[in-house]
This record gives sequence, structure tokens and C-alpha cells, in this order.
Amino acid sequence: QSALTQPPSVSGSPGQSVTISCTGTSSDVGSYNRVSWYQQPPGTAPKLMIYDVTNRPSGVPDRFSGSKSGNTASLTISGLQAEDEADYYCSSYTTSSTWVFGGGTKLTVL
Amino acid sequence: QVTLRASGPALVKPTQTLTLTCTFSGFSLTTTGMCVNWIRQPPGKALEWLARIDWDDEKYYITSLKTRLTISKDTSKNQVVLTMTNMDPVDTATYYCARTRFDNSGWSFDYWGQGSLVTVSS
Repeated sequence: QSALTQPPSVSGSPGQSVTISCTGTSSDVGSYNRVSWYQQPPGTAPKLMIYDVTNRPSGVPDRFSGSKSGNTASLTISGLQAEDEADYYCSSYTTSSTWVFGGGTKLTVL
Repeated sequence: QVTLRASGPALVKPTQTLTLTCTFSGFSLTTTGMCVNWIRQPPGKALEWLARIDWDDEKYYITSLKTRLTISKDTSKNQVVLTMTNMDPVDTATYYCARTRFDNSGWSFDYWGQGSLVTVSS
């Protein structure tokens, strides 16, 4: 159950797009379309942004989108806004019927 | 309206046993597909999934902590309890409970509690 691999940090200017990758293995990301993404501003609980690779819960802006290829999932945020600045975590269901998180990515809006 | 609230001691001593309670509302753990998870986050570090209990009382644990964790539920009280034995300062973290629904609405942690900060120190 090793953590999924995310870049420690990404940055972008307002209006730009950024992509955060999440690399796992054939025992998690590669086995299921059960990857989700969470946004966590400082001092708050995580918030679900994307589930099942590509789906957005009600209320999440369509600027947030997800995809997956093989063992790597990605979160893309287009039209960056200052309010998007936060830590982002991916998570995947595993072949052991457990969950695993990524190491987290700090998004800075320049 | 779905809510979860994690509660427990703010401070525990090394070697002691931690008991955390997740009290929830807006759903029932007797409903097929419903699950409650425990997830922790050391200060400044990443989220770590710890354990899950399912509607049918199946239980799952992170391999690295399996011998120290026990998860249980009381459906009459809408509560899930996590115990962690032999606490160590490295277990200092905010502990969250979060719901999962294994159904067509997607598999994820869709609702989270506010977190309970636990410090391990003598």
C-alpha cells in the first residue's frame, strides 16, 4: 500500500491551466476507475472535487476535470482563480479493497 | 443533510490506547453500500487512509497499522469507533472520519467530518 505519487507543487497564473498527476500501480489506479480528487485549503477538511476519474459532484465548477491513462490519473484546473490555491490529493481504491492517497500537491496561484 | 463529527482526546501519552468516535447523521450504516472510513493527517503532511467499516460489518485496515487498529460500529447510535493501541509521537495527527457509498453514485469520500487533532506526548 505505497502512497500514490504526486508532484509536491505546481503553480500557475490566474486564467491559466494546470495539471496535477497521480501515479499508482496496477494494484490501484490501473485496476479501477475509482480515482478521486480532494481540495484542502489550509486548516480545513478535504473536499471532494472529482470522483470515479472524471465525474464532478454537484457544485464543483466545470473548470475542474479529471482523466486517467494506465496507472496515472490527472486533475486539470482550467481558468485558474485565486480561490483554487490549496493542497490537492488523489485517492484510489485498491485490489485489497482498501484505499490509498497520494502525497499531495500544493497549488500556488501566482 | 449528511454530517460526520470526529471526537476524542486531544492529548494521549505514549503507549496509551486512543479511542476515537465518529458520530454521523443523514444516513444509516445499515443501508447497503454505506461505509465509514478513518483517515489521518500528521501536521504538514499527507492524508493517510487507516480503516473502513462497511454496512455488512466487513472491516478493512491499512496493512502497516493493522495490528494496532480496531474499527467497530454501533448502528443504534450512528457511531463508528476506532481504537489505536500503543500510541507513539509519530501518531500525532488530525484524525478524520469520512463516508463512502459503494453504489452507482461513485466510490469516494463524499462527506468528511471536521477532524480531531490528537497529540501524543508525555
